Amino acid sequence: QQPVQSPQAVILREGEDAVINCSSSKALYSVHWYRQKHGEAPVFLMILLKGGEQMRHEKISASFNEKKQQSSLYLTASQLSYSGTYFCGTAHGSGNTGKLIFGQGTTLQVKP
Amino acid sequence: GAGVSQTPSNKVTEKGKYVELRCDPISGHTALYWYRQSLGQGPEFLIYFQGTGAADDSGLPNDRFFAVRPEGSVSTLKIQRTERGDSAVYLCASSLTVGAQFFGPGTRLTVL
Repeated sequence: QQPVQSPQAVILREGEDAVINCSSSKALYSVHWYRQKHGEAPVFLMILLKGGEQMRHEKISASFNEKKQQSSLYLTASQLSYSGTYFCGTAHGSGNTGKLIFGQGTTLQVKP
Repeated sequence: GAGVSQTPSNKVTEKGKYVELRCDPISGHTALYWYRQSLGQGPEFLIYFQGTGAADDSGLPNDRFFAVRPEGSVSTLKIQRTERGDSAVYLCASSLTVGAQFFGPGTRLTVL
């Protein structure tokens, strides 16, 4: 089953913060986060593993709540370059799988 | 170093024709993935390879779709008797092991 992302869309001013959530109905082994700009390929941001730590990439961080089968992506002090569509991809089972199931995406627009 | 490359970047074909899409992964990456993405959706998993063998082909929609990776590097996705519903961007990704996946620019397939 496809993970559910919320919200579907966010509009921010530069410097504001945002949170994007990714929830799965199946037990998670890992969650991968990607950002995709219009007409371009998805770009890898970070992976969160079951039992792992919160991850950070510049001013973007993410957490993984195994109990709730959910991951959240935190964008702090957003920049214009953060605009794009954010996707979470989930891996299930024992973890030794490359198969990712992606959510429908969250569109983020950062305005000056 | 070079990223994942895909050829052609665009392919227009007629319903019923056969097409081949090629993917060159990052050098040294043992895992290779195929996804397809429709407008406004997240990538949809098709198949992934570990080395030369298909580790998981559960996402291939039907037997018109087939993929090979004969020498454990370049991969070709083959679609027979194309249908209008096959129109999408076909994305290829590679990873060093089962981990962060790095995407190519995609092949936009249009079936008329």
